[in-house]
Amino acid sequence: DTEVTQTPKHLVMGMTNKKSLKCEQHMGHRAMYWYKQKAKKPPELMFVYSYEKLSINESVPSRFSPECPNSSLLNLHLHALQPEDSALYLCASSQFPSCAYNEQFFGPGTRLTVL
Amino acid sequence: DQQVKQNSPSLSVQEGRISILNCDYTNSMFDYFLWYKKYPAEGPTFLISISSIKDKNEDGRFTVFLNKSAKHLSLHIVPSQPGDSAVYFCAATEYGNKLVFGAGTILRVKS
Repeated sequence: DTEVTQTPKHLVMGMTNKKSLKCEQHMGHRAMYWYKQKAKKPPELMFVYSYEKLSINESVPSRFSPECPNSSLLNLHLHALQPEDSALYLCASSQFPSCAYNEQFFGPGTRLTVL
Repeated sequence: DQQVKQNSPSLSVQEGRISILNCDYTNSMFDYFLWYKKYPAEGPTFLISISSIKDKNEDGRFTVFLNKSAKHLSLHIVPSQPGDSAVYFCAATEYGNKLVFGAGTILRVKS
């Protein structure tokens, strides 16, 4: 199994809703990442988990709350989002964190729309 | 401040010819460079990479060249095929930490 899966594919939520995005990989990778991509822009890093511990938070607002229940799973909990948070949310994984020659493999993303 | 720059927003190439996508970077601490290909509504797909100790890496139709003194890398696709039409992102990393992406170049291969 060489893929990263993400659910749901699409999500529409109101500003008062609470929802979660899910990411899974079974490649034995020990680093997992959340990226946000706006239209016609490159992906921007949000969080990095290394060995199931949060190692990098790129000053992301607290309305985004990541969680890594185990080495294969990564969640992103969403609460009180704003319309400008609408974007494609990408999950990625890599074999080891903070290691040279470290390709990241991406999931297909969750297209999030906040109304 | 953009640390990775792809100055050509788009490139159009005839099928069978060479596609050359360029990328410049400013951070001399970057030690690993990657190219990703992205189709609409999909996540980026890893294509090819090169470490800072090399100046060339080949994988089938794809070759990446690195010029460290100029802080420049390029991706060559030979021969180009219509299925290569996608957005190509150059990315760089410092010791495997966060990937920093360029803005992307849209490649259109015409048949």
